[in-house]
Amino acid sequence: QKEVEQDPGPLSVPEGAIVSLNCTYSNSAFQYFMWYRQYSRKGPELLMYTYSSGNKEDGRFTAQVDKSSKYISLFIRDSQPSDSATYLCAMSEGGSQGNLIFGKGTKLSVKP
Amino acid sequence: EAGVVQSPRYKIIEKKQPVAFWCNPISGHNTLYWYRQNLGQGPELLIRYENEEAVDDSQLPKDRFSAERLKGVDSTLKIQPAELGDSAVYLCASSLDGVRGSYEQYFGPGTRLTVT
Repeated sequence: QKEVEQDPGPLSVPEGAIVSLNCTYSNSAFQYFMWYRQYSRKGPELLMYTYSSGNKEDGRFTAQVDKSSKYISLFIRDSQPSDSATYLCAMSEGGSQGNLIFGKGTKLSVKP
Repeated sequence: EAGVVQSPRYKIIEKKQPVAFWCNPISGHNTLYWYRQNLGQGPELLIRYENEEAVDDSQLPKDRFSAERLKGVDSTLKIQPAELGDSAVYLCASSLDGVRGSYEQYFGPGTRLTVT
């Protein structure tokens, strides 16, 4: 079992839909939880990060962390065609030794 | 502010040939990372530098891979000789420091390597 599991999709939704992307993990020492967006042939772009459990909102994006279930989610409201990309979750234990462990990424397509 | 710069963007080589990738991190970022991303996978760390010191190279295949970060700024990753399985995207990332790097890393566009 990998440390971080993420359904690779692909996921296709109509414009305006609410999108839910998820990751599960096995390492209870993870403290930081990140979501990256990666467009085709580009590098990953940090969307947001959350420390420990709870919710964090940034515009149309909401990240949720449930450490008791070892489950994290990213919600995208009012999805747009420009949101079409691969979304990668990443996690770390924090501190100076906290290397990022990535999921495989979920490929999202938002149809106009 | 300029982001992480990488070159070349694409490289095609024959197996057993050497290849080198270059990275210039965001100005003022002391920590630099090299990742490898295989098709359909997330990035996997190869090596992490704090200034000019390699503080984590446990995942770097040292028989054929080498890296350096002279003067604690630019970095070069080399493969010699390349194998078919080395075909991947090589990403460079940087962070302000190692602690910030545990949640805030900025990636370059990557170098797409194809070994034939």
